[in-house]
Amino acid sequence: GAVVSQHPSWVICKSGTSVKIECRSLDFQATTMFWYRQFPKQSLMLMATSNEGSKATYEQGVEKDKFLINHASLTLSTLTVTSAHPEDSSFYICSASPGTPEYEQYFGPGTRLTVT
Amino acid sequence: GQNIDQPTEMTATEGAIVQINCTYQTSGFNGLFWYQQHAGEAPTFLSYNVLDGLEEKGRFSSFLSRSKGYSYLLLKELQMKDSASYLCAVIDSNYQLIWGAGTKLIIKP
Repeated sequence: GAVVSQHPSWVICKSGTSVKIECRSLDFQATTMFWYRQFPKQSLMLMATSNEGSKATYEQGVEKDKFLINHASLTLSTLTVTSAHPEDSSFYICSASPGTPEYEQYFGPGTRLTVT
Repeated sequence: GQNIDQPTEMTATEGAIVQINCTYQTSGFNGLFWYQQHAGEAPTFLSYNVLDGLEEKGRFSSFLSRSKGYSYLLLKELQMKDSASYLCAVIDSNYQLIWGAGTKLIIKP
């Protein structure tokens, strides 16, 4: 149990375009979903936390207008990278929490984004 | 500020034992996780400690000392597939997960 999927697993896009990444909890309802970014050889960086039906809480330094997060249901959250640039190329990972215990997170397999 | 320290990189020999240390200074403590992350993949859960002591799970064990702000992950009978990064993460008083930078473990034959 506690499976989280992400789609797509990898994507290449041109600079200036937007890319949407989906995160789904397949066998549980996710009260909270988290979006992380990881650059090569670096640790996970939390970008934002989203609760179903409410606005996402962004970490300091993360542009909310550039990284649009929608958590429309208890099993789906999306991250849209708007007007992508090469420096946005990274590994984006989502995780989902059933809410009990509050800290328990299950990670998706990640999405590798390359902006050319 | 909140801080988690782990060695950047460690090297060990196949079949041997390695201990990866993690020290933390956080605002409150509600538990500590160890995750394994292979290159290009998402982290996978290894262990969770909230009480002092040693938790053993097969070849992997995790130890916690809350008074010292210290944990270690012990890997026995190392296999080549254990080559990965090992991430230490602490839950603070606000139930935020604070991540360490990870320790890259290289296993040599």
